[in-house]
Amino acid sequence: EDQVTQSPEALRLQEGESSSLNCSYTVSGLRGLFWYRQDPGKGPEFLFTLYSAGEEKEKERLKATLTKKESFLHITAPKPEDSATYLCAVQAHGGSQGNLIFGKGTKLSVKP
Amino acid sequence: DTGVSQNPRHKITKRGQNVTFRCDPISEHNRLYWYRQTLGQGPEFLTYFQNEAQLEKSRLLSDRFSAERPKGSFSTLEIQRTEQGDSAMYLCASSLAGELEAFFGQGTRLTVV
Repeated sequence: EDQVTQSPEALRLQEGESSSLNCSYTVSGLRGLFWYRQDPGKGPEFLFTLYSAGEEKEKERLKATLTKKESFLHITAPKPEDSATYLCAVQAHGGSQGNLIFGKGTKLSVKP
Repeated sequence: DTGVSQNPRHKITKRGQNVTFRCDPISEHNRLYWYRQTLGQGPEFLTYFQNEAQLEKSRLLSDRFSAERPKGSFSTLEIQRTEQGDSAMYLCASSLAGELEAFFGQGTRLTVV
């Protein structure tokens, strides 16, 4: 069964304290892996798509990487405005084109 | 605003009532998806459309749920005879066929009392 597990469930950082969020996945064949940011009471905001192992994408203080079994979202020198829940999702080959399988997310809090 | 639009943003209803939500996708997107998200969980896939055709429905989508996209533009999701377990955030997303990235709306928060 296709599955996505994110860790940790929650992460508290001081402003400027860099860290990484983990997304482990099990799929029959990976079509794409996605990172979203979600603020309380709002819909997920698209961040990155990764397609194959070794790929990296960057946006401001965020950098996403992908291996054959997991993805990392690295946050460099975070600011309080980076506080949010970060969701990882996969789409599998052979599965529905519309079906993203999400993890439960990592809730990030950045204190000033 | 050219993003995905959902209405209403919040809905409180009594158990047993019917509710309908609307989603307007990004204008050039021909794929439209519905997801449901409960507190502390990631979104769960419900159904998706390509143009007006409903191509897949999740096992989560009971007989009380129905979705339509009559002209391949906006979509509605109806829940009949609501139950307390239907309380959740209902999210709509859209994408271009052939592209994997889906863009979400702000969601409709349903509370069944």
